[in-house]
Amino acid sequence: AQKVTQAQTEISVVEKEDVTLDCVYETRDTTYYLFWYKQPPSGELVFLIRRNSFDEQNEISGRYSWNFQKSTSSFNFTITASQVVDSAVYFCALSEGDKIIFGKGTRLHILP
Amino acid sequence: EAQVTQNPRYLITVTGKKLTVTCSQNMNHEYMSWYRQDPGLGLRQIYYSMNVEVTDKGDVPEGYKVSRKEKRNFPLILESPSPNQTSLYFCASSLGPPSRDQPQHFGDGTRLSIL
Repeated sequence: AQKVTQAQTEISVVEKEDVTLDCVYETRDTTYYLFWYKQPPSGELVFLIRRNSFDEQNEISGRYSWNFQKSTSSFNFTITASQVVDSAVYFCALSEGDKIIFGKGTRLHILP
Repeated sequence: EAQVTQNPRYLITVTGKKLTVTCSQNMNHEYMSWYRQDPGLGLRQIYYSMNVEVTDKGDVPEGYKVSRKEKRNFPLILESPSPNQTSLYFCASSLGPPSRDQPQHFGDGTRLSIL
């Protein structure tokens, strides 16, 4: 069965520290897609990034960066110089055919 | 404004009383989906729809029904709700399915409490 593991249930860091959220996935598909979503305290779910299995190039968007490593089946998310507004639950997700499998999420607390 | 609209946002009801949560999108998206979010379990897909009149089970479909008679609407029906269906529910839509690299646009959520 395909699945997504976010081993870190909860992380707390002090503002301005860097933090990495881990995501490990399992799939038998050769073509698949990975996603990250953010759920701030207000509760909405916000799309952050998508990556297909053929594109292992790392991506940077401002203070956010993503490291996709097919060899270790990981798609980790790093926030550089964290800010209080980054406090949220972050979900990693994997496409499974026409369905999508979400990890259980990592709750990130950025302390002022 | 492009959006996914769910109603109601909050509902407290009793076991066995049929209820419907509506979901509507104005982006002409083909793919729509329902999820439930429970503490410690993350988001789990209940049902999804690739297009009008095409629906399929997700990972936790038991106790739920859906229909897709029109492209914009995808209601979630609980015919006989039970307390274990108390949860936070999200509807989402996208141009196409996740297998075609399409990110989901989520509604604001519906918090259901079944007593």
